[in-house]
Amino acid sequence: AQTVTQSQPEMSVQEAETVTLSCTYDTSENNYYLFWYKQPPSRQMILVIRQEAYKQQNATENRFSVNFQKAAKSFSLKISDSQLGDTAMYFCAFMIPNFGNEKLTFGTGTRLTIIP
Amino acid sequence: EPEVTQTPSHQVTQMGQEVILRCVPISNHLYFYWYRQILGQKVEFLVSFYNNEISEKSEIFDDQFSVERPDGSNFTLKIRSTKLEDSAMYFCASTYTGEWGYGYTFGSGTRLTVV
Repeated sequence: AQTVTQSQPEMSVQEAETVTLSCTYDTSENNYYLFWYKQPPSRQMILVIRQEAYKQQNATENRFSVNFQKAAKSFSLKISDSQLGDTAMYFCAFMIPNFGNEKLTFGTGTRLTIIP
Repeated sequence: EPEVTQTPSHQVTQMGQEVILRCVPISNHLYFYWYRQILGQKVEFLVSFYNNEISEKSEIFDDQFSVERPDGSNFTLKIRSTKLEDSAMYFCASTYTGEWGYGYTFGSGTRLTVV
């Protein structure tokens, strides 16, 4: 079974600073996908970024980027120029591609607070 | 942008009652999922559904739970004889063939409170 670990329950950072959220996972599979989801107070699940394990290049989406270390099974999220709207819970998630059954396995989340 | 719609947004029910949570997936999506998030905890997979059948269910998804797609549009989660510990956010999600996760769209959730 796959597991996802987020070791930082809470983090806070000043607005405009950079913050890095950690995630590690455990799997024996070679082909998989990793995601970061944002959950604001509205509790909606919003996809931030995804990474395919077969790609060596780290994914980026505007101010969001990841540091994917496959050998170390590490997948951290970096938020640059943080904004007040980034305040949310952030969940790391793992998926093995499988037609018809692409369930996500989530970590326990990191509560990020951006301080004005 | 297409959305997954869940109703109601919040439901309060008496312990022992049956509840039905409703979801309307994105129209061209073929795979559907229910997840649960107990307050303050992680999001957990309940069940996946494809071609009018359950593809996989977690150990949480016991005989108390059932899913169906009664009319080709709605996708429902039924909880029989609710317990206090069923209080949680329930998320529906849908995706479509060939797209791993990027087309994985969550609804805004139903907050279920069992009293």
